[in-house]
Amino acid sequence: DTAVSQTPKYLVTQMGNDKSIKCEQNLGHDTMYWYKQDSKKFLKIMFSYNNKELIINETVPNRFSPKSPDKAHLNLHINSLELGDSAVYFCASSQGRLAKNIQYFGAGTRLSVL
Amino acid sequence: AQTVTQSQPEMSVQEAETVTLSCTYDTSESDYYLFWYKQPPSRQMILVIRQEAYKQQNATENRFSVNFQKAAKSFSLKISDSQLGDAAMYFCAYRSPNTNAGKSTFGDGTTLTVKP
Repeated sequence: DTAVSQTPKYLVTQMGNDKSIKCEQNLGHDTMYWYKQDSKKFLKIMFSYNNKELIINETVPNRFSPKSPDKAHLNLHINSLELGDSAVYFCASSQGRLAKNIQYFGAGTRLSVL
Repeated sequence: AQTVTQSQPEMSVQEAETVTLSCTYDTSESDYYLFWYKQPPSRQMILVIRQEAYKQQNATENRFSVNFQKAAKSFSLKISDSQLGDAAMYFCAYRSPNTNAGKSTFGDGTTLTVKP
């Protein structure tokens, strides 16, 4: 049983399109995150939600909009996709926001914008 | 802002031998957490080991251990008896208890190759 699952695993789309990536965790955690890993493998936080409330927004363009319908889900919607959005996007979750709490990661979604 | 530096983009080790991956970080905080994550070709990020800054004792998980030098802001990962399955990209990460609700700041990663 996958703890943090993301769909789809691969996403290929044209510039200008709108796409969504879904994330679900079955760990009972109350905090979820989105990270972006670029082509150089650099991993950076994008958003974090705690109990469906946005708590981190790391100067991500407005074209990116996270949505948390409940504590177990954190979806990422991207409008007007650009070439520079091509990356691997990771969802993660933890129980609580404390630094000591372990983050569990999904397998990532590789987004390719053509 | 905290920064994490992994100065070795690539490392290689012979199977069954020991390898050490280096990580340094910059912070003005006294209490924080450090992590090593493994990312194999499957892309899945897997926690290898965690160290709490207020604990002087180095964390150990089976063949994985850390050398935590707080004054030097160094957090290296030692892999003993290397196995083929250890081949992956390894990321060092810093988490502050004080800011931004537990976000992780990652280093650039070190790609480890294990030679049979």
